[in-house]
Amino acid sequence: EAGVAQSPRYKIIEKRQSVAFWCNPISGHATLYWYQQILGQGPKLLIQFQNNGVVDDSQLPKDRFSAERLKGVDSTLKIQPAKLEDSAVYLCASSFRTEEAFFGQGTRLTVV
Amino acid sequence: DQQVKQNSPSLSVQEGRISILNCDYTNSMFDYFLWYKKYPAEGPTFLISISSIKDKNEDGRFTVFLNKSAKHLSLHIVPSQPGDSAVYFCAAVDYNQGGKLIFGQGTELSVKP
Repeated sequence: EAGVAQSPRYKIIEKRQSVAFWCNPISGHATLYWYQQILGQGPKLLIQFQNNGVVDDSQLPKDRFSAERLKGVDSTLKIQPAKLEDSAVYLCASSFRTEEAFFGQGTRLTVV
Repeated sequence: DQQVKQNSPSLSVQEGRISILNCDYTNSMFDYFLWYKKYPAEGPTFLISISSIKDKNEDGRFTVFLNKSAKHLSLHIVPSQPGDSAVYFCAAVDYNQGGKLIFGQGTELSVKP
């Protein structure tokens, strides 16, 4: 079974620029998550989708971050404009049931 | 506020010995916990889990213990192998918030030959 695919793997941008990340979950997984992992910390949930509906986006900085899940499959996460503190690894995960979330390799974002 | 805490950022163990990684949580409503393992430049991979109806779950060299009264769980790896060197994250499932995973800060395990 193919895993969770994310792209790009790495991205370097200047502050105030915009950036987008893409995620393709495991086929058949209704739940999709975006996590932010800052160096030295555990992953923090940004947004959770169930099919194409949002379950939880309480920790998404909505003034600059947005996410969508098209047709309940692929998802994109956008940051506009980026700040230095957005430097982190952005992890996408998907699950068929809550207790088994499978993670992609992540996108390492550096904002300079 | 940090609801899941891993107070040891790093742990070094000799090959063949036991590794014990600890995790504490504050929310008594949490009743399902997972351990994830993460190698550099890869995403976390699921390792082992435990439900609050159990106090122990074993899978090969990995055993997770849960002490609900102390709100504490631990992951035991025995015997430890160099390939176990990675960052280990403890996570709790918050069913009151759509089943989201709440992670600890992680413990970096180094197993020396």
